[in-house]
Amino acid sequence: DVKVTQSSRYLVKRTGEKVFLECVQDMDHENMFWYRQDPGLGLRLIYFSYDVKMKEKGDIPEGYSVSREKKERFSLILESASTNQTSMYLCASSLVSAGTNEKLFFGSGTQLSVL
Amino acid sequence: AQKVTQAQTEISVVEKEDVTLDCVYETRDTTYYLFWYKQPPSGELVFLIRRNSFDEQNEISGRYSWNFQKSTSSFNFTITASQVVDSAVYFCALSEAWGAQKLVFGQGTRLTINP
Repeated sequence: DVKVTQSSRYLVKRTGEKVFLECVQDMDHENMFWYRQDPGLGLRLIYFSYDVKMKEKGDIPEGYSVSREKKERFSLILESASTNQTSMYLCASSLVSAGTNEKLFFGSGTQLSVL
Repeated sequence: AQKVTQAQTEISVVEKEDVTLDCVYETRDTTYYLFWYKQPPSGELVFLIRRNSFDEQNEISGRYSWNFQKSTSSFNFTITASQVVDSAVYFCALSEAWGAQKLVFGQGTRLTINP
């Protein structure tokens, strides 16, 4: 089975801190994604990556950056954390297949609280 | 722009009742994919079904069934004879057929099955 592992389940940070959220997948997937989940808003895409060192902005990239130096690892960076970034962060990965859209595999999420 | 609407924020039923979760989508694409995911209390989203826009056949998997109607842009999910283990947040999602194949999610429906 595909495993998507997020480094922390819960994280508490202070306003202004630089925060790193790490995600690792073990099935050689090309695509990786970072979503944030907020009540009433569902999941919103922050950034995605379709190859090593390649990245594209999603719907809400402001205040975030990403890094993908290796195929299996996709990091989300909050340069200067703010209270409105308190949220559940979900990492996902998927294969690239010709002619169809593959399903996403998700990690268990990181609940980030910014105080 | 693509959009998914799950108008039911929360549903609560008694065990063994049938329940339908509604999903309405908007897209200008003629080729697209629709998904349903389940998020149990553990937090990890679990894939339930994928359907492409050219396949309008309804699907049944055990107690789960899906009704896809392009004419009304709906992709509804029915659980028959619900069980307590079905309690979760359910998300409907839409993805473009080309490009990075990222998912746009609805707001989610929290389903509670009471014993």
